[in-house]
Amino acid sequence: DAMVIQNPRYQVTQFGKPVTLSCSQTLNHNVMYWYQQKSSQAPKLLFHYYDKDFNNEADTPDNFQSRRPNTSFCFLDIRSPGLGDAAMYLCATSREGQVRQPQHFGDGTRLSIL
Amino acid sequence: DQQVKQNSPSLSVQEGRISILNCDYTNSMFDYFLWYKKYPAEGPTFLISISSIKDKNEDGRFTVFLNKSAKHLSLHIVPSQPGDSAVYFCAALGGTYKYIFGTGTRLKVLA
Repeated sequence: DAMVIQNPRYQVTQFGKPVTLSCSQTLNHNVMYWYQQKSSQAPKLLFHYYDKDFNNEADTPDNFQSRRPNTSFCFLDIRSPGLGDAAMYLCATSREGQVRQPQHFGDGTRLSIL
Repeated sequence: DQQVKQNSPSLSVQEGRISILNCDYTNSMFDYFLWYKKYPAEGPTFLISISSIKDKNEDGRFTVFLNKSAKHLSLHIVPSQPGDSAVYFCAALGGTYKYIFGTGTRLKVLA
């Protein structure tokens, strides 16, 4: 089945130690998104890629970066995680050129900061 | 400032009855809305959507109603089943590829 896969499902890192979360998709969708969701809050869009075109949300901290080496993979890099970055991180994809298409989500990576 | 609001954190309904989940938005420029369902330890999955040119969209047991003047939409599930127990998120398209989500409503369908 075509899907969006996030690895790892759970990630623990130390305060200030860089961490990378990964997302892969078999849907061949050109748009990929990263969301941050904290407990009892709405998923918050961090950035998205349209093909290789990177689009950062205005309020996304500089501490968060992303890479998309090819259509299938997208990475979220947190350069110096703080305690406030502990959250669920969701990756999603959608079909190119048809804006009004629902997103397909992965199951998320839960990030803990020690 | 929350542009999409789901004011009921939780809802319990008897099996077979109607579940009504509500969502309010603040920006009249939003013209496409979606509902997602989320089970524990899984990502959200798309349920149903509606464009602002419509006031109702139906898919099996699920119907979404849109009241543009009130900036309000609702999801009706009839009849409710225990497998519908999940968190439901409302989302609005706030710009090209920018989806704005509500905080979710946890639905519990009692057998």
